[in-house]
Amino acid sequence: DGGITQSPKYLFRKEGQNVTLSCEQNLNHDAMYWYRQDPGQGLRLIYYSQIVNDFQKGDIAEGYSVSREKKESFPLTVTSAQKNPTAFYLCASQGDTSTEAFFGQGTRLTVV
Amino acid sequence: GENVEQHPSTLSVQEGDSAVIKCTYSDSASNYFPWYKQELGKRPQLIIDIRSNVGEKKDQRIAVTLNKTAKHFSLHITETQPEDSAVYFCAANPDYKLSFGAGTTVTVRA
Repeated sequence: DGGITQSPKYLFRKEGQNVTLSCEQNLNHDAMYWYRQDPGQGLRLIYYSQIVNDFQKGDIAEGYSVSREKKESFPLTVTSAQKNPTAFYLCASQGDTSTEAFFGQGTRLTVV
Repeated sequence: GENVEQHPSTLSVQEGDSAVIKCTYSDSASNYFPWYKQELGKRPQLIIDIRSNVGEKKDQRIAVTLNKTAKHFSLHITETQPEDSAVYFCAANPDYKLSFGAGTTVTVRA
């Protein structure tokens, strides 16, 4: 099954811990994105990457980090510095910025 | 900061009526304007998109219009059906990234 895959679907984290969300795509897309979605809210951009080994901060990057060592992979680390990490996280990939973006199924992160 | 604004935030329509959602953007270099539909608990999926060299695009009951001069674009859904109930997001591509509006929750009343 081709496309973009996020794992895990549900994730629980204790306060003070870092946690890494996985995002993998086999669409040969250059661009990848991480968005955060809170209940009843829109899609807020955390980080994005237009090409391997390069990434840029989005609108709400504080408390998050990413890497783009491979074209297929764009993992997101939620650090202990993120004050309110409980949310639904969506990863997306795009061939270029004027073509359809495809989303993963999302990871629901809960801090316990 | 916010590059794409979307209105209204909620929209309730009678089945069979039309629904219109409007978005504005700030970066005149934006040239791609997609619309996504997100059903409860699912991932957003593209329903229609338009590029800056076109003023209008239609796909069955869904249409999008673009006014580049005014920097706004709109989604039109005609003959609404219960399955059209969802959250709709507009997006644009300022600064080589994909930025979304805050979303519109559409409820179609039977």
